[in-house]
This record gives sequence, C-alpha cells and structure tokens, in this order.
Amino acid sequence: GQNIDQPTEMTATEGAIVQINCTYQTSGFNGLFWYQQHAGEAPTFLSYNVLDGLEEKGRFSSFLSRSKGYSYLLLKELQMKDSASYLCAVRERRKLIFGQGTELSVKP
Amino acid sequence: GAVVSQHPSRVICKSGTSVKIECRSLDFQATTMFWYRQFPKQSLMLMATSNEGSKATYEQGVEKDKFLINHASLTLSTLTVTSAHPEDSSFYICSARGRGIGQTSYEQYFGPGTRLTVT
Repeated sequence: GQNIDQPTEMTATEGAIVQINCTYQTSGFNGLFWYQQHAGEAPTFLSYNVLDGLEEKGRFSSFLSRSKGYSYLLLKELQMKDSASYLCAVRERRKLIFGQGTELSVKP
Repeated sequence: GAVVSQHPSRVICKSGTSVKIECRSLDFQATTMFWYRQFPKQSLMLMATSNEGSKATYEQGVEKDKFLINHASLTLSTLTVTSAHPEDSSFYICSARGRGIGQTSYEQYFGPGTRLTVT
C-alpha cells in the first residue's frame, strides 16, 4: 500500500518563505507531484520531481530525496493569493495517489 | 496547455435517482482517465482508472455497480452514480493523461470538478 504524510495546516506571513514537507512510503515510485488547490476548484499543477534534487520554477521550488522518501515544496515571497491547499501526490506505476493536503494561510 | 472539461459543474438530485457526469479532453487524446472523489476538508481519493475502450479498474472499496464508468472514446469519459444517496454527495473530479501537441508524458490534467448534492 501507500502512505503519504504532510502537515494538515500551516500559517505564514506575506512576503516570507514557507516550506511544506511531504514524506511517503510507496511501491513502484514513478515521480512526485505538487498541486495547488483553492476551495471548490480542481487542483492545478505546480511541480514534478522524478530524480533527486531541486526543481525551481519562479517563486516555487520542489525538492526530492528518493532514498529518504521525502519531498518539500518551497514558496518564496508569499502573497495573499497563495493561501490554498497544497497537495503532495505520488505516482505509483500509473496511478496518482494524493496526500491529505496542507492548508496554507498567508497573513498580512 | 491541455484542457479538461466537466459537465455539469453542479447537480442536485433526489435520493434513489442516477446522475451522469461527463469528462472531456478538449485538445488532446486522453488515453487514460481517472475519477476522484473529494469530501470537504479532505484530499482527493482515487475511485477508478479507465483506459479508452476497456473496462475501468476500480480502487478497493469503490462499488463498480454503483459508480459506472464508460470511456468510449479518446476524448470522453462518463461517471454515472446510480441510485444516489446523501452520502454520495461530494466533489467529483476527473483527470486525464494522453497524447497531443505539447503534452508531457507525466502530467495529469484535471477537470474543474462536479459538485453533487443528493437530497
């Protein structure tokens, strides 16, 4: 089976940096994704890691360590619109399995 | 980017009736479609995976006779919730992977979701 853990909630200040961690245990690992989801909307793709290391895309970066079963999403220069749920998802063979999501609140 | 649409966006139905939700890939061929369910404050739970022209593969605990999935073409999949009950009220989201200009091999594209309320 699979197990994906991430914190339930986080709070950060506008302009700051926040790191959202995700640990996973799964068989047949085939990549890790981060999605952003606003309430009542579908998830939108943020990043994809399949090899160890850091992937940077603008204000968002994602890191993967396959040996540790660990990933993080780093958000810089936080904006109020970044308040959302952030979902860590692992591709196990052809299926995308989601963690429970981290609800991020950005305060002024 | 790739676009996936869902119809309807919201539906209210009475207990005991059936509801059909459509998922379409608008600018690419969806060789595989996924159906997820999301309850409030919870993450997406995979219900089933379907490949065009073949039967869907359901996740453990999902009743295949209650949630009928048809993936008859490379651009359309449907989910029919049969004999709906209030506990079936949820946010249903489809997702697609496939081939087309500009597609990446790894990415799944999500539809906007369908809010089902069973009264």
